[in-house]
Amino acid sequence: ELKVEQNPLFLSMQEGKNYTIYCNYSTTSDRLYWYRQDPGKSLESLFVLLSNGAVKQEGRLMASLDTKARLSTLHITAAVHDLSATYFCAARLMYSGGGADGLTFGKGTHLIIQP
Amino acid sequence: DTGVSQDPRHKITKRGQNVTFRCDPISEHNRLYWYRQTLGQGPEFLTYFQNEAQLEKSRLLSDRFSAERPKGSFSTLEIQRTEQGDSAMYLCASSLVENGQYFGPGTRLTVT
Repeated sequence: ELKVEQNPLFLSMQEGKNYTIYCNYSTTSDRLYWYRQDPGKSLESLFVLLSNGAVKQEGRLMASLDTKARLSTLHITAAVHDLSATYFCAARLMYSGGGADGLTFGKGTHLIIQP
Repeated sequence: DTGVSQDPRHKITKRGQNVTFRCDPISEHNRLYWYRQTLGQGPEFLTYFQNEAQLEKSRLLSDRFSAERPKGSFSTLEIQRTEQGDSAMYLCASSLVENGQYFGPGTRLTVT
């Protein structure tokens, strides 16, 4: 069974600061997803990481994947208030012959960025 | 708007009633997924279609739940004999091959 754990689950930070959200998964996975969710809204796709060492950046957000450590990180640079949201990572379970397409999500990191 | 759409957006029903939700995926996407999300939790996978074939079902999908995608386009999720524990946001997502899953706005179900 694939388990996905995020750390921290709650983060309050000031504008202008840098921080990293960690996502660990328990068994082999070939891809890692990051999503953003605003209160009462659906999920917005941020990044899809497909290989070991993959790094993707969009604005102030940068995501990376280390498949050997079963770890992905989402780094926030010089945070701004508009980045306040809940961030989810999700992984796809691998099994012999392919992968399951249903994703396993972490509990989410509730991020508040204060002026 | 060419995103994933879901209908209805909100549904309030009494315990024991049946409900049906609809999802229209992004038009060229051949894969369609259903998830359930409760307050403060991440989405939980329910089931997955590739075209009209239902290829995966989670253990969460009890026999009261049934999903169809009859022509490989829209999908329906039916819950029979609803229970209070079924109250949640039901999310639909679609994807093209292995290109990332794009989520719809969700249907919020409240069972009273």
